[in-house]
Amino acid sequence: RKEVEQDPGPFNVPEGATVAFNCTYSNSASQSFFWYRQDCRKEPKLLMSVYSSGNEDGRFTAQLNRASQYISLLIRDSKLSDSATYLCAVILNDYKLSFGAGTTVTVRA
Amino acid sequence: GAVVSQHPSWVICKSGTSVKIECRSLDFQATTMFWYRQFPKQSLMLMATSNEGSKATYEQGVEKDKFLINHASLTLSTLTVTSAHPEDSSFYICSARAPLGLADYNEQFFGPGTRLTVL
Repeated sequence: RKEVEQDPGPFNVPEGATVAFNCTYSNSASQSFFWYRQDCRKEPKLLMSVYSSGNEDGRFTAQLNRASQYISLLIRDSKLSDSATYLCAVILNDYKLSFGAGTTVTVRA
Repeated sequence: GAVVSQHPSWVICKSGTSVKIECRSLDFQATTMFWYRQFPKQSLMLMATSNEGSKATYEQGVEKDKFLINHASLTLSTLTVTSAHPEDSSFYICSARAPLGLADYNEQFFGPGTRLTVL
């Protein structure tokens, strides 16, 4: 079983829609959680860290469910510029990031 | 702050040659850097952890004699792909671990990546 799994999508949504997707992790000892955004042929860029209490940054909301071992990302009022691949990443206790394969989101006009 | 650069951004080479990729932290010191590889439509896979002044730690399945890592200073780590073959063609990305006080200590700052094509 992979350490981090994501629904690859693609999620095709119209502008202004809300889109949400999850990422599951296999190791219950995982300590830190992140969402990254990766554009085609570019490096990943940190979108937000995910805290136990959940956190929001503008139109983006991330939540952590430790009991079910998943994190979620919700994007409200989607913009064309939100089209990208969203990677979740998890750290155990050795500072190494384990990435999911990414969820592709395409926002159409 | 926390900018990481990589050089070159892309390289095309013949099979059997060696390619060196540089990863630099431009405005902070990085005692720990990481090297990843990403094949099309796949996840970033950690290849090795590079520690300044000591030997790199390689992930299972990564050949240390093929992927030579040197972290000779607090701002530079290099990855050399020796005797490259077409199956080594990939997107190689480095990252540097955030120093204490600059960001969440678990955060990593990524370089822009190097696209390697081996003919």
